[in-house]
Amino acid sequence: GAGVSQSPSNKVTEKGKDVELRCDPISGHTALYWYRQSLGQGLEFLIYFQGNSAPDKSGLPSDRFSAERTGGSVSTLTIQRTQQEDSAVYLCASSRLAPPDTQYFGPGTRLTVL
Amino acid sequence: GQQVMQIPQYQHVQEGEDFTTYCNSSTTLSNIQWYKQRPGGHPVFLIQLVKSGEVKKQKRLTFQFGEAKKNSSLHITATQTTDVGTYFCAGAVRGNNRLAFGKGNQVVVIP
Repeated sequence: GAGVSQSPSNKVTEKGKDVELRCDPISGHTALYWYRQSLGQGLEFLIYFQGNSAPDKSGLPSDRFSAERTGGSVSTLTIQRTQQEDSAVYLCASSRLAPPDTQYFGPGTRLTVL
Repeated sequence: GQQVMQIPQYQHVQEGEDFTTYCNSSTTLSNIQWYKQRPGGHPVFLIQLVKSGEVKKQKRLTFQFGEAKKNSSLHITATQTTDVGTYFCAGAVRGNNRLAFGKGNQVVVIP
């Protein structure tokens, strides 16, 4: 079946602009995660959605970052007033069940802020 | 907060040799998972360990969960160029089951 998909695959933007990154999880997966990975670095947790529960936003680095998940499926990560330090690969993952179920990662969106 | 530490952070391994990468937690884990990320790719699930002292094998890869469920290791024998990549461990603490990922062990294979 189809895996996790993310769009766009690459995004180049200018400092100060807003960007939206999209994640389509595997159908039927109840949990959805966003991570950030800077070049050669580990996975930085950003936010986690589980079913209809309030999301765990504890990893969002600033109030410029927000995310929503509509209808328990597609999720959008929004970064407002982008800064150069926001440049990274943004990875989305989903799991069929609540944590600590196995996570399936999408290919990521590479964001470059000029 | 919960932290999962991985050592070493980087390894250069001669093709054909064995190597081990380690994962440590200060708190008892309910389970631990290992993922592999190839260069330019995304993390892919390898295995999950749940029981104290559990050992699982996948061909040349041997995964172990410590008796105290605070550490884990991945041992690869007869390294091949296809083993290049970053290996992440991720642990879950009972009661707060969200996985915490380590920073990864980046492995370079020297032909």
